[in-house]
Amino acid sequence: ETGVTQTPRHLVMGMTNKKSLKCEQHLGHNAMYWYKQSAKKPLELMFVYSLEERVENNSVPSRFSPECPNSSHLFLHLHTLQPEDSALYLCASSQVEGYNSPLHFGNGTRLTVT
Amino acid sequence: QKEVEQNSGPLSVPEGAIASLNCTYSDRGSQSFFWYRQYSGKSPELIMSIYSNGDKEDGRFTAQLNKASQYVSLLIRDSQPSDSATYLCAVNNQAGTALIFGKGTTLSVSS
Repeated sequence: ETGVTQTPRHLVMGMTNKKSLKCEQHLGHNAMYWYKQSAKKPLELMFVYSLEERVENNSVPSRFSPECPNSSHLFLHLHTLQPEDSALYLCASSQVEGYNSPLHFGNGTRLTVT
Repeated sequence: QKEVEQNSGPLSVPEGAIASLNCTYSDRGSQSFFWYRQYSGKSPELIMSIYSNGDKEDGRFTAQLNKASQYVSLLIRDSQPSDSATYLCAVNNQAGTALIFGKGTTLSVSS
């Protein structure tokens, strides 16, 4: 398998549920990212990990909790979400964290909070 | 708040024409600039990267960067219906840790 893989592709959850999004990259990259894409809004950076260390938390509510156990895997743990959290959640990776590295995106998880 | 601005469109061009997509950014210290294409229901895919003032060509695509004017553009020559998508401009953030994206410009190429 190549590229960046995200599971599940679609997720429907109630506001009291706990779920996790998974991302795996097969590109040998050292940095991984979570972005949120809502309708009519630009992609919003949520978290950045470089060599398994979190280097950026972009003022994300604590109901979103990231985890990066190694440079190939990234998780986003979800609990007590709100309907406005419904969006496409995109994982990305880059060769290094920094200015010149383009991002490679996974196919995303379409999340619906009911 | 550092921003990346794009005209949301839609930009409509006939098949075979040149499509011109524009982007401005607010952080004068930005160093890396990218164009992504996103088809409906799909994730963004990288088309071009540009780091220096001037033009960079790759097939039918040309990226143009003018740091003095804080302006970056994407030209698509010989536009095809398959080019119909949303084009996202992205610029590195101030910390250099990630990319900031514009809202995107929707391009429609009619046959």
